Amino acid sequence: AQSVSQHNHHVILSEAASLELGCNYSYGGTVNLFWYVQYPGQHLQLLLKYFSGDPLVKGIKGFEAEFIKSKFSFNLRKPSVQWSDTAEYFCAVNQGGGFKTIFGAGTRLFVKA
Amino acid sequence: GAGVSQSPSNKVTEKGKDVELRCDPISGHTALYWYRQRLGQGLEFLIYFQGNSAPDKSGLPSDRFSAERTGESVSTLTIQRTQQEDSAVYLCASSLGPRTSGGYNEQFFGPGTRLTVL
Repeated sequence: AQSVSQHNHHVILSEAASLELGCNYSYGGTVNLFWYVQYPGQHLQLLLKYFSGDPLVKGIKGFEAEFIKSKFSFNLRKPSVQWSDTAEYFCAVNQGGGFKTIFGAGTRLFVKA
Repeated sequence: GAGVSQSPSNKVTEKGKDVELRCDPISGHTALYWYRQRLGQGLEFLIYFQGNSAPDKSGLPSDRFSAERTGESVSTLTIQRTQQEDSAVYLCASSLGPRTSGGYNEQFFGPGTRLTVL
């Protein structure tokens, strides 16, 4: 079965530290890739997405992600985190434009002020 | 509406009772999705609607779970004879459609319904 793995369940960083959250998926065909974020008390919302073209995707709030097809990975990065980035981050994969999107288990990020 | 809304926000029920969860998608969104999120786990796909038809029900955990949608509007998820393992947050999302020529459409999520089965 297709799956999405997020390597870190909990990450604690100090402000200004660099962030990289890992995401790997198991589907071998064409994929659409997403990172969603859920800030405390808020709804899940889209952070960035990859459909085709440049594998380096830039999203909101200074986040970016790189699609590496050979590694089945879509890692999320931010050069310098802020306290306001404290949230839960979900990687998601849609397979070939079908109906179903598979979500990872999420990574809880806590940024110390 | 301004966003996806869900009701109730919290539901506590006794084992064996039926519950009905409601989702109001964003106006004009033809696609609607239900997910379940158990504590500490990711989102588990339950069912997808395009309009009022459900081409993919593969995620429904058992025949105790059913869902319907009226036109391109409100959807209800019904769980019959609830069990303790049904306790979770049930999330609804909607999108303009499953996909466009530009790729898969973004899903907009509601706040969820937290279901607790005692």
